Amino acid sequence: IAGITQAPTSQILAAGRRMTLRCTQDMRHNAMYWYRQDLGLGLRLIHYSNTAGTTGKGEVPDGYSVSRANTDDFPLTLASAVPSQTSVYFCASSDGAGGGEDTQYFGPGTRLTVL
Amino acid sequence: AQSVTQLDSHVSVSEGTPVLLRCNYSSSYSPSLFWYVQHPNKGLQLLLKYTSAATLVKGINGFEAEFKKSETSFHLTKPSAHMSDAAEYFCVVSLSGYSTLTFGKGTMLLVSP
Repeated sequence: IAGITQAPTSQILAAGRRMTLRCTQDMRHNAMYWYRQDLGLGLRLIHYSNTAGTTGKGEVPDGYSVSRANTDDFPLTLASAVPSQTSVYFCASSDGAGGGEDTQYFGPGTRLTVL
Repeated sequence: AQSVTQLDSHVSVSEGTPVLLRCNYSSSYSPSLFWYVQHPNKGLQLLLKYTSAATLVKGINGFEAEFKKSETSFHLTKPSAHMSDAAEYFCVVSLSGYSTLTFGKGTMLLVSP
């Protein structure tokens, strides 16, 4: 069982380009999340999805979009990348219905650099 | 609203000595509280979680944390540090029924021989 996979592992991207970060889980979890991690700021929630077909905005959603066409996949798209989106991005999933007590399981991360 | 404050950005200990990583939270309602660990260039791994059951929570690798409502604290402890404990630790709070987690800014634990 792989758990959560993310692709690519790392990417250098020119500003203004479009980029999609991929996230796939094989645990059949209902809820999935995208975070960004920046030095000294911890992790901040970008978008989440409590179940396939629904999405919601987190703390820092601007410049990002997500979709949840099925249970397993939760891609994150940067429509026009800017240098402030340089960060490490983590995808996570949880085994409940999106309640606060659910344990979230994290992928290995994608390191994105926007020049 | 909810928030979490990790009181130390860095903690240094010697191998074999106790570990204390401090966390205070703010929450309007009954929170769920978590500690996650992140080793260099890795994802986050759950150490333990509190969800309104026993106030002393035992986690993996000998770590434990005590929920103290009167002090709004959830400090992480370990009796004896090991070199492999060197990592960054995150205290996390969420509200029952809500999926969003609020992370602290992290505490880097350094373990010297």
